[in-house]
Amino acid sequence: DTAVSQTPKYLVTQMGNDKSIKCEQNLGHDTMYWYKQDSKKFLKIMFSYNNKELIINETVPNRFSPKSPDKAHLNLHINSLELGDSAVYFCASSQRGNRETQYFGPGTRLLVL
Amino acid sequence: QQQVKQSPQSLIVQKGGISIINCAYENTAFDYFPWYQQFPGKGPALLIAIRPDVSEKKEGRFTISFNKSAKQFSLHIMDSQPGDSATYFCAPSTGFGNEKLTFGTGTRLTIIP
Repeated sequence: DTAVSQTPKYLVTQMGNDKSIKCEQNLGHDTMYWYKQDSKKFLKIMFSYNNKELIINETVPNRFSPKSPDKAHLNLHINSLELGDSAVYFCASSQRGNRETQYFGPGTRLLVL
Repeated sequence: QQQVKQSPQSLIVQKGGISIINCAYENTAFDYFPWYQQFPGKGPALLIAIRPDVSEKKEGRFTISFNKSAKQFSLHIMDSQPGDSATYFCAPSTGFGNEKLTFGTGTRLTIIP
């Protein structure tokens, strides 16, 4: 009964590959997010979707493409992986208008070799 | 540019002592001021939050103090326990429709026996 789940938990891949990370929430929230945490623990938002509509798109390379098939799922596809993409990626969800409901997933640790 | 600055970067406190972490921000449009707690290998979790119409909020051993004119807010942990050892982030946000959290640089707190 995990609230926000992500798969995979770990991802090790070669430079230049394409990979996807999946996120699902069972909280009934209408807004989902992707955050990136770098090696210095700095957390930064990448994208946000509300009811499958993109509402926040920070300055992120075009190689990153989020997709929301429904409001319970938000996936992140990364093309042509680079060494600098190595980080922990967190999915989060909330109910729009209620910021105190923003819950984070356990993270996906991506290592690009 | 870093809109939200935390201090100190790391903090060691003896068990039973008071831990104090500070957060300074620049964006006067922020109107929600939470602190998040992150344990190793886990996603951040909301610890306590305050809105700008009050100057202090207490929940158990955790207190937020807010100084609007100085654009600062702080987290106080009373009677600090080893289980409080974690990384703490302030993460203010703006209003409805733009609920992304702007994370501070993080403070690694270690409580020693």
